[in-house]
Amino acid sequence: SAVISQKPSRDICQRGTSLTIQCQVDSQVTMMFWYRQQPGQSLTLIATANQGSEATYESGFVIDKFPISRPNLTFSTLTVSNMSPEDSSIYLCSTSGRGDNEQFFGPGTRLTVL
Amino acid sequence: QKEVEQDPGPLSVPEGAIVSLNCTYSNSAFQYFMWYRQYSRKGPELLMYTYSSGNKEDGRFTAQVDKSSKYISLFIRDSQPSDSATYLCAMGLTGGGNKLTFGTGTQLKVEL
Repeated sequence: SAVISQKPSRDICQRGTSLTIQCQVDSQVTMMFWYRQQPGQSLTLIATANQGSEATYESGFVIDKFPISRPNLTFSTLTVSNMSPEDSSIYLCSTSGRGDNEQFFGPGTRLTVL
Repeated sequence: QKEVEQDPGPLSVPEGAIVSLNCTYSNSAFQYFMWYRQYSRKGPELLMYTYSSGNKEDGRFTAQVDKSSKYISLFIRDSQPSDSATYLCAMGLTGGGNKLTFGTGTQLKVEL
Protein backbone atom coordinates (compact mmCIF):
# COMPACT_ATOMS: atom_id res chain seq x y z
CA SER A 1 0.00 0.00 0.00
CA ALA A 2 1.05 3.61 -0.55
CA VAL A 3 2.62 5.62 2.25
CA ILE A 4 0.53 8.71 2.93
CA SER A 5 1.57 11.73 4.98
CA GLN A 6 -0.41 14.77 6.05
CA LYS A 7 0.60 18.21 7.22
CA PRO A 8 -0.04 19.63 9.71
CA SER A 9 -0.73 16.77 12.09
CA ARG A 10 -2.68 19.12 14.31
CA ASP A 11 -3.55 22.78 14.61
CA ILE A 12 -5.51 25.16 16.76
CA CYS A 13 -7.09 27.98 14.78
CA GLN A 14 -9.16 31.04 15.41
CA ARG A 15 -12.71 31.44 14.20
CA GLY A 16 -12.94 33.04 10.76
CA THR A 17 -9.51 31.95 9.56
CA SER A 18 -8.65 29.28 6.99
CA LEU A 19 -6.36 26.26 7.16
CA THR A 20 -4.86 24.31 4.28
CA ILE A 21 -4.11 20.64 4.88
CA GLN A 22 -1.62 18.86 2.65
CA CYS A 23 -1.66 15.21 1.66
CA GLN A 24 1.41 13.61 0.08
CA VAL A 25 1.56 10.07 -1.33
CA ASP A 26 4.78 8.20 -2.10
CA SER A 27 3.44 6.82 -5.38
CA GLN A 28 1.12 7.95 -8.14
CA VAL A 29 -2.54 7.30 -7.41
CA THR A 30 -5.63 7.94 -9.48
CA MET A 31 -8.13 8.83 -6.83
CA MET A 32 -7.71 10.73 -3.59
CA PHE A 33 -10.42 11.32 -1.04
CA TRP A 34 -10.95 13.74 1.83
CA TYR A 35 -12.91 12.70 4.92
CA ARG A 36 -14.01 14.27 8.16
CA GLN A 37 -14.12 12.25 11.37
CA GLN A 38 -16.05 13.75 14.25
CA PRO A 39 -16.27 12.14 17.69
CA GLY A 40 -18.85 9.37 17.84
CA GLN A 41 -19.66 9.67 14.14
CA SER A 42 -18.81 7.74 11.02
CA LEU A 43 -16.09 8.87 8.69
CA THR A 44 -17.85 11.24 6.33
CA LEU A 45 -16.64 11.71 2.77
CA ILE A 46 -16.18 15.39 1.90
CA ALA A 47 -15.04 15.05 -1.70
CA THR A 48 -13.23 12.94 -4.26
CA ALA A 49 -10.23 14.54 -5.98
CA ASN A 50 -8.98 13.28 -9.32
CA GLN A 51 -5.98 14.83 -10.99
CA GLY A 52 -6.85 17.18 -13.82
CA SER A 53 -10.49 17.65 -12.93
CA GLU A 54 -12.61 19.49 -10.41
CA ALA A 55 -13.22 17.74 -7.14
CA THR A 56 -16.59 16.05 -6.68
CA TYR A 57 -18.29 17.09 -3.45
CA GLU A 58 -20.71 15.06 -1.38
CA SER A 59 -24.07 16.34 -0.25
CA GLY A 60 -23.63 18.92 2.49
CA PHE A 61 -20.15 19.99 1.42
CA VAL A 62 -19.41 22.87 -0.95
CA ILE A 63 -16.35 24.09 -2.78
CA ASP A 64 -16.45 27.56 -1.21
CA LYS A 65 -16.10 26.05 2.25
CA PHE A 66 -13.73 23.20 1.36
CA PRO A 67 -11.72 24.07 -1.74
CA ILE A 68 -9.52 21.21 -2.91
CA SER A 69 -6.52 21.13 -5.20
CA ARG A 70 -5.05 18.11 -6.97
CA PRO A 71 -2.10 19.40 -9.00
CA ASN A 72 -0.53 15.98 -9.67
CA LEU A 73 -0.88 12.27 -8.99
CA THR A 74 0.91 12.35 -5.63
CA PHE A 75 -0.43 15.45 -3.90
CA SER A 76 -3.65 17.12 -2.82
CA THR A 77 -4.72 19.91 -0.47
CA LEU A 78 -7.93 20.59 1.40
CA THR A 79 -8.66 24.06 2.71
CA VAL A 80 -11.14 24.59 5.51
CA SER A 81 -12.33 28.15 4.97
CA ASN A 82 -13.85 30.71 7.33
CA MET A 83 -13.68 28.24 10.18
CA SER A 84 -16.10 27.96 13.06
CA PRO A 85 -15.93 25.72 16.15
CA GLU A 86 -18.22 23.26 14.33
CA ASP A 87 -15.33 22.55 11.94
CA SER A 88 -13.28 21.08 14.78
CA SER A 89 -12.64 17.55 13.65
CA ILE A 90 -10.08 15.14 12.31
CA TYR A 91 -9.54 15.49 8.57
CA LEU A 92 -8.22 12.48 6.71
CA CYS A 93 -7.05 11.95 3.18
CA SER A 94 -7.09 8.55 1.54
CA THR A 95 -6.06 7.01 -1.74
CA SER A 96 -7.50 4.28 -3.88
CA GLY A 97 -5.78 0.90 -3.89
CA ARG A 98 -5.65 -1.86 -6.48
CA GLY A 99 -8.90 -3.48 -5.42
CA ASP A 100 -12.30 -1.99 -6.12
CA ASN A 101 -13.27 0.25 -3.22
CA GLU A 102 -9.94 -0.39 -1.50
CA GLN A 103 -8.68 2.73 0.28
CA PHE A 104 -5.67 3.58 2.38
CA PHE A 105 -5.64 6.45 4.83
CA GLY A 106 -3.22 9.07 5.95
CA PRO A 107 -2.58 9.75 9.65
CA GLY A 108 -5.08 12.60 9.83
CA THR A 109 -5.03 16.28 10.81
CA ARG A 110 -6.60 17.12 14.13
CA LEU A 111 -8.16 20.58 13.90
CA THR A 112 -9.49 22.61 16.81
CA VAL A 113 -11.26 25.89 16.11
CA LEU A 114 -11.63 28.33 18.99
CA GLN B 1 -31.98 4.42 9.87
CA LYS B 2 -28.28 4.51 9.13
CA GLU B 3 -27.04 2.52 6.16
CA VAL B 4 -24.44 0.82 8.36
CA GLU B 5 -24.97 0.09 12.03
CA GLN B 6 -22.14 -0.73 14.39
CA ASP B 7 -22.20 -1.03 18.17
CA PRO B 8 -19.85 1.68 19.47
CA GLY B 9 -18.85 -0.24 22.58
CA PRO B 10 -16.63 0.13 24.45
CA LEU B 11 -15.90 -3.57 24.51
CA SER B 12 -13.50 -4.79 27.16
CA VAL B 13 -12.09 -8.33 27.07
CA PRO B 14 -9.27 -10.18 28.83
CA GLU B 15 -6.10 -11.02 26.97
CA GLY B 16 -6.44 -14.25 25.01
CA ALA B 17 -10.19 -13.94 24.51
CA ILE B 18 -11.93 -14.34 21.17
CA VAL B 19 -13.42 -11.03 20.09
CA SER B 20 -16.41 -10.68 17.80
CA LEU B 21 -17.11 -7.34 16.17
CA ASN B 22 -20.18 -6.87 14.02
CA CYS B 23 -21.90 -4.58 11.55
CA THR B 24 -25.29 -4.72 9.92
CA TYR B 25 -26.28 -2.86 6.80
CA SER B 26 -29.43 -2.04 4.94
CA ASN B 27 -28.25 -1.58 1.35
CA SER B 28 -28.22 -4.96 -0.37
CA ALA B 29 -26.18 -3.44 -3.20
CA PHE B 30 -23.02 -3.35 -1.09
CA GLN B 31 -20.52 -5.80 -2.59
CA TYR B 32 -17.21 -4.91 -0.92
CA PHE B 33 -16.62 -5.16 2.79
CA MET B 34 -13.67 -3.91 4.77
CA TRP B 35 -12.48 -3.71 8.32
CA TYR B 36 -10.18 -0.93 9.45
CA ARG B 37 -8.27 -0.66 12.71
CA GLN B 38 -7.66 2.80 14.11
CA TYR B 39 -5.33 3.43 17.00
CA SER B 40 -5.78 6.56 19.04
CA ARG B 41 -4.55 9.64 17.18
CA LYS B 42 -3.77 7.63 14.04
CA GLY B 43 -5.44 7.13 10.67
CA PRO B 44 -7.49 4.01 9.88
CA GLU B 45 -5.43 1.01 8.77
CA LEU B 46 -6.95 -1.49 6.35
CA LEU B 47 -7.14 -4.84 8.11
CA MET B 48 -9.38 -7.03 5.98
CA TYR B 49 -10.89 -6.67 2.51
CA THR B 50 -13.52 -9.07 1.24
CA TYR B 51 -15.80 -9.28 -1.73
CA SER B 52 -17.91 -12.39 -1.45
CA SER B 53 -19.97 -14.04 1.23
CA GLY B 54 -18.10 -16.44 3.46
CA ASN B 55 -14.97 -16.30 5.56
CA LYS B 56 -11.54 -14.85 4.95
CA GLU B 57 -8.73 -15.53 7.36
CA ASP B 58 -5.50 -13.61 7.92
CA GLY B 59 -3.49 -14.69 10.92
CA ARG B 60 -5.53 -14.14 14.06
CA PHE B 61 -8.22 -12.26 12.14
CA THR B 62 -11.22 -13.73 10.34
CA ALA B 63 -13.70 -11.65 8.37
CA GLN B 64 -17.12 -13.12 7.79
CA VAL B 65 -19.74 -11.84 5.37
CA ASP B 66 -23.36 -12.97 5.25
CA LYS B 67 -25.02 -11.07 2.44
CA SER B 68 -28.36 -12.80 2.92
CA SER B 69 -28.57 -11.41 6.46
CA LYS B 70 -26.74 -8.17 5.61
CA TYR B 71 -24.32 -8.85 8.42
CA ILE B 72 -20.54 -8.82 8.63
CA SER B 73 -18.24 -9.81 11.44
CA LEU B 74 -14.60 -9.60 12.39
CA PHE B 75 -13.24 -12.24 14.75
CA ILE B 76 -9.97 -11.76 16.60
CA ARG B 77 -8.47 -14.89 18.13
CA ASP B 78 -6.03 -14.86 21.03
CA SER B 79 -6.58 -11.14 21.53
CA GLN B 80 -3.61 -9.07 22.67
CA PRO B 81 -3.36 -5.69 24.41
CA SER B 82 -1.95 -4.38 21.12
CA ASP B 83 -5.34 -5.10 19.54
CA SER B 84 -6.83 -2.32 21.67
CA ALA B 85 -8.14 0.15 19.11
CA THR B 86 -11.30 1.27 17.37
CA TYR B 87 -12.48 -1.06 14.62
CA LEU B 88 -14.41 0.42 11.72
CA CYS B 89 -16.41 -1.52 9.18
CA ALA B 90 -16.76 -0.07 5.70
CA MET B 91 -18.71 -1.05 2.61
CA GLY B 92 -18.66 -0.17 -1.06
CA LEU B 93 -20.64 -0.64 -4.21
CA THR B 94 -19.72 -1.95 -7.63
CA GLY B 95 -19.50 1.10 -9.83
CA GLY B 96 -19.84 3.35 -6.80
CA GLY B 97 -16.85 5.50 -7.62
CA ASN B 98 -14.87 3.86 -4.82
CA LYS B 99 -16.99 5.64 -2.22
CA LEU B 100 -17.14 3.87 1.10
CA THR B 101 -19.84 3.93 3.76
CA PHE B 102 -18.48 3.52 7.26
CA GLY B 103 -19.84 2.33 10.56
CA THR B 104 -19.23 4.52 13.60
CA GLY B 105 -16.60 2.14 14.93
CA THR B 106 -16.36 -0.18 17.95
CA GLN B 107 -13.84 0.69 20.63
CA LEU B 108 -12.04 -2.44 21.87
CA LYS B 109 -9.87 -2.73 24.94
CA VAL B 110 -7.92 -5.91 25.61
CA GLU B 111 -6.81 -6.05 29.22
CA LEU B 112 -3.89 -7.92 30.75
